Amino acid sequence: EPEVTQTPSHQVTQMGQEVILRCVPISNHLYFYWYRQILGQKVEFLVSFYNNEISEKSEIFDDQFSVERPDGSNFTLKIRSTKLEDSAMYFCASSEGFKTAGELFFGEGSRLTVL
Amino acid sequence: AQKITQTQPGMFVQEKEAVTLDCTYDTSDPSYGLFWYKQPSSGEMIFLIYQGSYDQQNATEGRYSLNFQKARKSANLVISASQLGDSAMYFCAPGRGIKAAGNKLTFGGGTRVLVKP
Repeated sequence: EPEVTQTPSHQVTQMGQEVILRCVPISNHLYFYWYRQILGQKVEFLVSFYNNEISEKSEIFDDQFSVERPDGSNFTLKIRSTKLEDSAMYFCASSEGFKTAGELFFGEGSRLTVL
Repeated sequence: AQKITQTQPGMFVQEKEAVTLDCTYDTSDPSYGLFWYKQPSSGEMIFLIYQGSYDQQNATEGRYSLNFQKARKSANLVISASQLGDSAMYFCAPGRGIKAAGNKLTFGGGTRVLVKP
């Protein structure tokens, strides 16, 4: 069964460093998303991406964050100058978009620890 | 902005019994969908079931069913014949309606279910 894959599964970084989280969405999906979940808290929407541009973003997704689809398969989240409060599980998701109810299929997450 | 309330932070259920997880929401969208996701201890988010706001019948998917009461803005998840593997966090999430192009989900705070043998 097709699935969303994310790398790395866990990354530890120093405060102020840049981090890139990578995702390979399901191949025929049109919409891509990043969510994050701070430990013990709810899952929060960061950004959605369609047709090579951001379609929607939350107030969390400030200038520190950027997303990119550098080729036909990868979808990346870049966090510039990480802060302690960026420590969280980051989930990539994709949805087919037009034919189905629009359920999101999530990857297993990338845990980011900022020291 | 959508507001989602899951009033039960945690629940115990006996194996093989049914459990109902509450979810109420507040949305101004005329057309929307309700999604439920399961998050086991391993952390991944697993889609369980969907209900469209204009669907006449309550959704069912295997052992999962939705008790959808549109007027009350309530979409409770019922898990029948609980299994040990059902122990997880369960999140309710309203999103856009069927065939929407792109579907930002807003998740509730979740309910932790522990199935006892």
